[in-house]
Amino acid sequence: DAGVIQSPRHEVTEMGQEVTLRCKPISGHDYLFWYRQTMMRGLELLIYFNNNVPIDDSGMPEDRFSAKMPNASFSTLKIQPSEPRDSAVYFCASSLSSGGVETQYFGPGTRLLVL
Amino acid sequence: AQSVSQHNHHVILSEAASLELGCNYSYGGTVNLFWYVQYPGQHLQLLLKYFSGDPLVKGIKGFEAEFIKSKFSFNLRKPSVQWSDTAEYFCAVTFSNDYKLSFGAGTTVTVRA
Repeated sequence: DAGVIQSPRHEVTEMGQEVTLRCKPISGHDYLFWYRQTMMRGLELLIYFNNNVPIDDSGMPEDRFSAKMPNASFSTLKIQPSEPRDSAVYFCASSLSSGGVETQYFGPGTRLLVL
Repeated sequence: AQSVSQHNHHVILSEAASLELGCNYSYGGTVNLFWYVQYPGQHLQLLLKYFSGDPLVKGIKGFEAEFIKSKFSFNLRKPSVQWSDTAEYFCAVTFSNDYKLSFGAGTTVTVRA
């Protein structure tokens, strides 16, 4: 099992540029989560999907952030335009529901630096 | 409001010392409880979890945690730490079978050889 795959692992960009982060969940998992980790705010849930449908996006900080899940094996988190305060580690996680809450498995994260 | 708190921000220990990290939550309903570990430069890995049943749960790498419902606590323990346990430890909770994980602020554990 390859686990949750994220790309790129590192991204350095300039303020104002568009950034796209990618995630491939564990095959067969029906929940996908996007988190952001910063020193100031810790780990925050941004959005999560169930069966490719966004369920809760209340953690998305601004309209500059958007997430999609076009199919069960792929999701993107886009920031447009990016700002220095978006610098963080972005984690994707997936889980398989079996009638209730189950363990979330995390990817290696994308370390984003916006200059 | 529902919240998760970890009281220790940074713990420094010597090898072979015992470790206990506190985790409390504020919610009167059903919870599911997790401890995750993040080694330097790596992603989060599950140490252990509690959904129901025996409140004393055992996880990987010799860790265990006890759910005390009356105290709204889920403290993590390890009787004898190793240098390789140096990491950041996160308590996480889901409330009322919601799928959203709420994380505590994390505790950095440094084990001195």
